[in-house]
Amino acid sequence: NAGVTQTPKFRILKIGQSMTLQCAQDMNHNYMYWYRQDPGMGLKLIYYSVGAGITDKGEVPNGYNVSRSTTEDFPLRLELAAPSQTSVYFCASSYSGGRDYEQYFGPGTRLTVT
Amino acid sequence: ILNVEQSPQSLHVQEGDSTNFTCSFPSSNFYALHWYRWETAKSPEALFVMTLNGDEKKKGRISATLNTKEGYSYLYIKGSQPEDSATYLCAFETNNFNKFYFGSGTKLNVKP
Repeated sequence: NAGVTQTPKFRILKIGQSMTLQCAQDMNHNYMYWYRQDPGMGLKLIYYSVGAGITDKGEVPNGYNVSRSTTEDFPLRLELAAPSQTSVYFCASSYSGGRDYEQYFGPGTRLTVT
Repeated sequence: ILNVEQSPQSLHVQEGDSTNFTCSFPSSNFYALHWYRWETAKSPEALFVMTLNGDEKKKGRISATLNTKEGYSYLYIKGSQPEDSATYLCAFETNNFNKFYFGSGTKLNVKP
């Protein structure tokens, strides 16, 4: 199993550009999550999904969109990138809603918006 | 927005010292409390998932306790080793759609 994979690893965007961060898992997990990690801070939940076709906002959803058309994939879309979106983005998945189930994290995508 | 607080922010100990950190979280809407170990340039790795008041979990030299009534969890490391150097994160999972709220972590540095 590859686990949770994320692409790209690094990206520099200009203000106003758009991009999609890819996340895929091959563990047949129902739950998938997107987090951002800012310097000196913990992880903030952006969006999450409890299954294909079902997504919901987390703590910091503004400026982002997600979709979940398959169990395996959970892409995060940034429209009109802003410097405040400079961060490290982590995707995670778990079999179910956390109780007795671990979250598995991807390697992260480091995004800089200038 | 939920507040999950971890203390201390950072800790420097000598090899062989035992140490502990605290995670404070709201006592309402509790579903589970998670501990993660996060090494620099890697992804967070799950240590424990704790669900019941009074839970104690152990993995090698690392153990954790949970008090859901007063809203705190302790993580203990016995006989710290340099390879224990990492940031230790806790996350509070709500019973409202299983949302996760992370603390900002305790950064542990163990000197040989």
